[in-house]
Amino acid sequence: GENVEQHPSTLSVQEGDSAVIKCTYSDSASNYFPWYKQELGKGPQLIIDIRSNVGEKKDQRIAVTLNKTAKHFSLHITETQPEDSAVYFCAATPFTGNQFYFGTGTSLTVIP
Amino acid sequence: DADVTQTPRNRITKTGKRIMLECSQTKGHDRMYWYRQDPGLGLRLIYYSFDVKDINKGEISDGYSVSRQAQAKFSLSLESAIPNQTALYFCATSDGSTEAFFGQGTRLTVV
Repeated sequence: GENVEQHPSTLSVQEGDSAVIKCTYSDSASNYFPWYKQELGKGPQLIIDIRSNVGEKKDQRIAVTLNKTAKHFSLHITETQPEDSAVYFCAATPFTGNQFYFGTGTSLTVIP
Repeated sequence: DADVTQTPRNRITKTGKRIMLECSQTKGHDRMYWYRQDPGLGLRLIYYSFDVKDINKGEISDGYSVSRQAQAKFSLSLESAIPNQTALYFCATSDGSTEAFFGQGTRLTVV
Protein backbone atom coordinates (compact mmCIF):
# COMPACT_ATOMS: atom_id res chain seq x y z
CA GLY A 1 0.00 0.00 0.00
CA GLU A 2 0.85 3.68 -0.01
CA ASN A 3 3.40 5.09 2.47
CA VAL A 4 3.34 8.81 3.21
CA GLU A 5 6.19 10.44 5.13
CA GLN A 6 5.91 13.95 6.52
CA HIS A 7 8.57 16.35 7.84
CA PRO A 8 9.19 18.08 10.12
CA SER A 9 7.17 16.76 13.04
CA THR A 10 7.34 20.13 14.81
CA LEU A 11 7.93 23.59 13.41
CA SER A 12 8.15 26.97 15.14
CA VAL A 13 8.21 30.21 13.19
CA GLN A 14 7.97 33.89 14.02
CA GLU A 15 4.77 35.64 13.06
CA GLY A 16 5.08 36.94 9.50
CA ASP A 17 7.63 34.35 8.44
CA SER A 18 6.93 31.49 6.04
CA ALA A 19 6.41 27.83 6.96
CA VAL A 20 7.06 24.83 4.72
CA ILE A 21 5.95 21.26 5.38
CA LYS A 22 7.11 18.45 3.11
CA CYS A 23 5.65 15.04 2.30
CA THR A 24 6.75 12.13 0.17
CA TYR A 25 4.66 9.23 -1.10
CA SER A 26 5.51 5.83 -2.52
CA ASP A 27 2.63 4.75 -4.79
CA SER A 28 2.74 6.23 -8.29
CA ALA A 29 -1.00 5.52 -8.59
CA SER A 30 -1.79 8.22 -6.01
CA ASN A 31 -3.18 11.27 -7.75
CA TYR A 32 -5.07 13.30 -5.15
CA PHE A 33 -3.18 15.07 -2.37
CA PRO A 34 -5.17 16.93 0.31
CA TRP A 35 -3.80 18.90 3.23
CA TYR A 36 -5.69 19.05 6.52
CA LYS A 37 -5.45 21.43 9.46
CA GLN A 38 -6.38 20.18 12.91
CA GLU A 39 -6.98 22.74 15.61
CA LEU A 40 -6.99 21.78 19.27
CA GLY A 41 -10.07 19.77 20.18
CA LYS A 42 -11.35 19.57 16.62
CA GLY A 43 -11.31 17.17 13.72
CA PRO A 44 -9.05 17.69 10.68
CA GLN A 45 -10.39 20.10 8.07
CA LEU A 46 -9.30 20.42 4.46
CA ILE A 47 -7.34 23.59 3.74
CA ILE A 48 -6.09 22.92 0.22
CA ASP A 49 -5.73 20.02 -2.18
CA ILE A 50 -3.99 19.28 -5.45
CA ARG A 51 -4.51 16.72 -8.17
CA SER A 52 -1.76 15.06 -10.15
CA ASN A 53 -2.38 16.99 -13.34
CA VAL A 54 -1.43 20.25 -11.58
CA GLY A 55 2.01 21.29 -10.32
CA GLU A 56 1.02 24.11 -8.01
CA LYS A 57 -2.11 25.55 -6.44
CA LYS A 58 -2.54 28.70 -4.37
CA ASP A 59 -5.26 29.98 -2.07
CA GLN A 60 -4.42 33.32 -0.51
CA ARG A 61 -1.53 32.69 1.94
CA ILE A 62 -1.31 28.94 1.38
CA ALA A 63 0.06 27.04 -1.58
CA VAL A 64 0.81 23.45 -2.41
CA THR A 65 3.37 22.17 -4.90
CA LEU A 66 3.56 18.68 -6.36
CA ASN A 67 6.47 16.93 -8.05
CA LYS A 68 5.13 13.65 -9.43
CA THR A 69 8.46 12.50 -10.75
CA ALA A 70 10.09 12.77 -7.34
CA LYS A 71 6.88 11.76 -5.54
CA HIS A 72 6.85 14.66 -3.16
CA PHE A 73 4.51 17.53 -2.34
CA SER A 74 4.80 20.50 -0.03
CA LEU A 75 2.60 22.97 1.84
CA HIS A 76 3.72 26.60 1.95
CA ILE A 77 2.20 29.12 4.33
CA THR A 78 3.32 32.72 3.89
CA GLU A 79 2.93 35.64 6.29
CA THR A 80 2.12 33.28 9.14
CA GLN A 81 -0.30 34.39 11.84
CA PRO A 82 -0.90 33.00 15.35
CA GLU A 83 -4.16 31.42 14.16
CA ASP A 84 -2.11 29.25 11.79
CA SER A 85 -0.86 27.36 14.86
CA ALA A 86 -2.24 23.82 14.55
CA VAL A 87 -1.34 20.30 13.47
CA TYR A 88 -1.15 19.83 9.70
CA PHE A 89 -1.55 16.49 7.93
CA CYS A 90 -0.75 15.62 4.35
CA ALA A 91 -2.47 12.72 2.62
CA ALA A 92 -2.35 10.80 -0.65
CA THR A 93 -4.95 8.70 -2.40
CA PRO A 94 -5.83 7.37 -5.82
CA PHE A 95 -9.06 8.83 -7.20
CA THR A 96 -10.71 5.45 -7.00
CA GLY A 97 -8.74 4.26 -4.01
CA ASN A 98 -10.12 2.77 -0.87
CA GLN A 99 -8.67 5.14 1.64
CA PHE A 100 -6.67 8.24 2.39
CA TYR A 101 -3.10 7.58 3.48
CA PHE A 102 -2.00 10.20 6.00
CA GLY A 103 1.37 11.52 7.04
CA THR A 104 2.27 11.59 10.73
CA GLY A 105 1.48 15.29 11.15
CA THR A 106 3.39 18.53 11.75
CA SER A 107 2.72 20.64 14.82
CA LEU A 108 3.15 24.27 13.72
CA THR A 109 3.58 27.02 16.31
CA VAL A 110 3.55 30.64 15.20
CA ILE A 111 5.23 32.85 17.79
CA PRO A 112 3.70 36.35 18.06
CA ASP B 1 -25.42 21.12 12.60
CA ALA B 2 -22.13 19.39 11.92
CA ASP B 3 -21.77 17.31 8.76
CA VAL B 4 -20.28 14.42 10.78
CA THR B 5 -21.36 13.89 14.38
CA GLN B 6 -19.61 11.58 16.81
CA THR B 7 -20.90 10.46 20.18
CA PRO B 8 -19.69 10.45 22.86
CA ARG B 9 -17.04 13.20 22.68
CA ASN B 10 -15.21 11.85 25.71
CA ARG B 11 -15.36 8.49 27.42
CA ILE B 12 -13.48 6.80 30.24
CA THR B 13 -13.96 3.06 30.50
CA LYS B 14 -12.42 0.16 32.38
CA THR B 15 -10.28 -2.60 30.94
CA GLY B 16 -12.41 -5.46 29.65
CA LYS B 17 -15.55 -3.42 29.10
CA ARG B 18 -17.37 -3.29 25.77
CA ILE B 19 -17.79 0.17 24.34
CA MET B 20 -19.41 1.57 21.22
CA LEU B 21 -18.57 4.82 19.47
CA GLU B 22 -21.23 6.18 17.16
CA CYS B 23 -21.02 8.28 14.02
CA SER B 24 -23.64 9.84 11.80
CA GLN B 25 -23.27 12.03 8.71
CA THR B 26 -25.51 14.34 6.74
CA LYS B 27 -23.32 14.64 3.63
CA GLY B 28 -25.16 11.87 1.81
CA HIS B 29 -21.86 10.14 1.04
CA ASP B 30 -21.57 6.39 0.67
CA ARG B 31 -18.06 6.01 2.09
CA MET B 32 -17.40 6.11 5.81
CA TYR B 33 -14.21 5.55 7.78
CA TRP B 34 -12.96 5.11 11.33
CA TYR B 35 -9.47 6.43 12.14
CA ARG B 36 -7.40 6.36 15.27
CA GLN B 37 -5.02 9.21 16.14
CA ASP B 38 -2.01 8.75 18.43
CA PRO B 39 0.73 11.31 19.03
CA GLY B 40 3.49 10.96 16.43
CA LEU B 41 1.61 8.29 14.49
CA GLY B 42 -0.85 10.39 12.54
CA LEU B 43 -4.21 9.02 11.48
CA ARG B 44 -4.40 5.27 11.06
CA LEU B 45 -7.35 3.53 9.43
CA ILE B 46 -9.28 1.01 11.52
CA TYR B 47 -12.22 0.10 9.24
CA TYR B 48 -13.96 1.53 6.21
CA SER B 49 -17.25 0.97 4.44
CA PHE B 50 -18.32 1.84 0.91
CA ASP B 51 -21.99 1.09 1.47
CA VAL B 52 -24.30 -0.61 3.94
CA LYS B 53 -23.31 -4.10 2.78
CA ASP B 54 -19.61 -3.39 2.47
CA ILE B 55 -17.19 -3.53 5.42
CA ASN B 56 -13.40 -3.60 5.06
CA LYS B 57 -10.54 -3.89 7.51
CA GLY B 58 -7.99 -1.15 7.63
CA GLU B 59 -4.44 -1.02 8.86
CA ILE B 60 -5.19 -1.63 12.57
CA SER B 61 -8.48 -3.53 12.84
CA ASP B 62 -7.49 -6.05 15.53
CA GLY B 63 -9.57 -5.55 18.70
CA TYR B 64 -12.22 -3.50 16.89
CA SER B 65 -15.45 -4.24 15.03
CA VAL B 66 -17.87 -2.02 13.13
CA SER B 67 -21.48 -1.90 12.05
CA ARG B 68 -22.95 0.10 9.16
CA GLN B 69 -26.55 0.49 10.23
CA ALA B 70 -27.55 2.81 7.41
CA GLN B 71 -25.91 4.98 4.78
CA ALA B 72 -25.58 7.72 7.36
CA LYS B 73 -24.54 5.68 10.40
CA PHE B 74 -21.31 3.82 11.12
CA SER B 75 -20.42 2.63 14.63
CA LEU B 76 -17.16 1.34 16.06
CA SER B 77 -17.04 -1.20 18.88
CA LEU B 78 -14.29 -2.28 21.21
CA GLU B 79 -15.38 -5.71 22.39
CA SER B 80 -13.02 -5.85 25.36
CA ALA B 81 -11.21 -2.55 25.84
CA ILE B 82 -7.53 -2.52 26.78
CA PRO B 83 -5.34 0.42 27.89
CA ASN B 84 -3.41 0.66 24.60
CA GLN B 85 -6.67 1.49 22.87
CA THR B 86 -6.58 4.82 24.67
CA ALA B 87 -6.57 7.31 21.79
CA LEU B 88 -8.49 9.92 19.84
CA TYR B 89 -10.93 8.34 17.39
CA PHE B 90 -12.27 10.03 14.27
CA CYS B 91 -15.08 9.13 11.94
CA ALA B 92 -14.98 10.47 8.39
CA THR B 93 -17.01 10.35 5.21
CA SER B 94 -16.26 11.01 1.55
CA ASP B 95 -17.77 10.58 -1.89
CA GLY B 96 -14.64 8.82 -3.12
CA SER B 97 -13.43 11.56 -5.45
CA THR B 98 -12.71 14.49 -3.17
CA GLU B 99 -11.90 15.33 0.41
CA ALA B 100 -12.85 13.42 3.51
CA PHE B 101 -15.01 15.22 6.07
CA PHE B 102 -14.16 14.46 9.67
CA GLY B 103 -16.13 14.47 12.89
CA GLN B 104 -14.97 16.28 16.02
CA GLY B 105 -13.46 13.14 17.47
CA THR B 106 -14.01 10.92 20.51
CA ARG B 107 -11.35 10.91 23.20
CA LEU B 108 -11.32 7.42 24.71
CA THR B 109 -9.43 6.52 27.86
CA VAL B 110 -9.19 2.91 29.00
CA VAL B 111 -8.12 2.51 32.62
